[in-house]
Amino acid sequence: AQSVTQPDIHITVSEGASLELRCNYSYGATPYLFWYVQSPGQGLQLLLKYFSGDTLVQGIKGFEAEFKRSQSSFNLRKPSVHWSDAAEYFCAVWVLSGGYNKLIFGAGTRLAVHP
Amino acid sequence: DGGITQSPKYLFRKEGQNVTLSCEQNLNHDAMYWYRQDPGQGLRLIYYSQIVNDFQKGDIAEGYSVSREKKESFPLTVTSAQKNPTAFYLCASASRDKSGYTFGSGTRLTVV
Repeated sequence: AQSVTQPDIHITVSEGASLELRCNYSYGATPYLFWYVQSPGQGLQLLLKYFSGDTLVQGIKGFEAEFKRSQSSFNLRKPSVHWSDAAEYFCAVWVLSGGYNKLIFGAGTRLAVHP
Repeated sequence: DGGITQSPKYLFRKEGQNVTLSCEQNLNHDAMYWYRQDPGQGLRLIYYSQIVNDFQKGDIAEGYSVSREKKESFPLTVTSAQKNPTAFYLCASASRDKSGYTFGSGTRLTVV
């Protein structure tokens, strides 16, 4: 079955520290992978996406993610976190099911940033 | 600028009432989706539509209905059969190139 797992429900980091949010997926075909960010009471904004090619993809706001096929992972990283990065982060995989395309989302990781 | 608009931002419903949430996009996207978000439960798919006059049930369709009479519009009706409708509702659209979703800013529905 297709699924996305984000093992960490909450993560707290200090401002300026590095960040890594974990994501594992289960999908039989070549995955199209995404990271979204959501501020409270808002919709989701696309941070970055992986389709093919270079396994390290760059996104907006200084984020990057690395696709590792052998580990079925697509972890999100940022070298130095800013207080404005506090939000909820969702990993997703694009699936084709019954002739219909849709995204399957992980449960999300809530990031808190200490000053 | 192209985008996806949800209205209203806040909606209050009395017990036993049907309410309709609006979702309009001008991105020329074929596919549209409705998700429900509850604290700690991520996003759950309610209904989705790939083309006009066609839609499919998602994981939690009971108590909801949709229509897709125009490419630009995908309204969601929360019926009185939905026993726990208080939640944040998100609409999204996508093109055929699998480049991901564009989300609206959401509607917060509260039962009073």
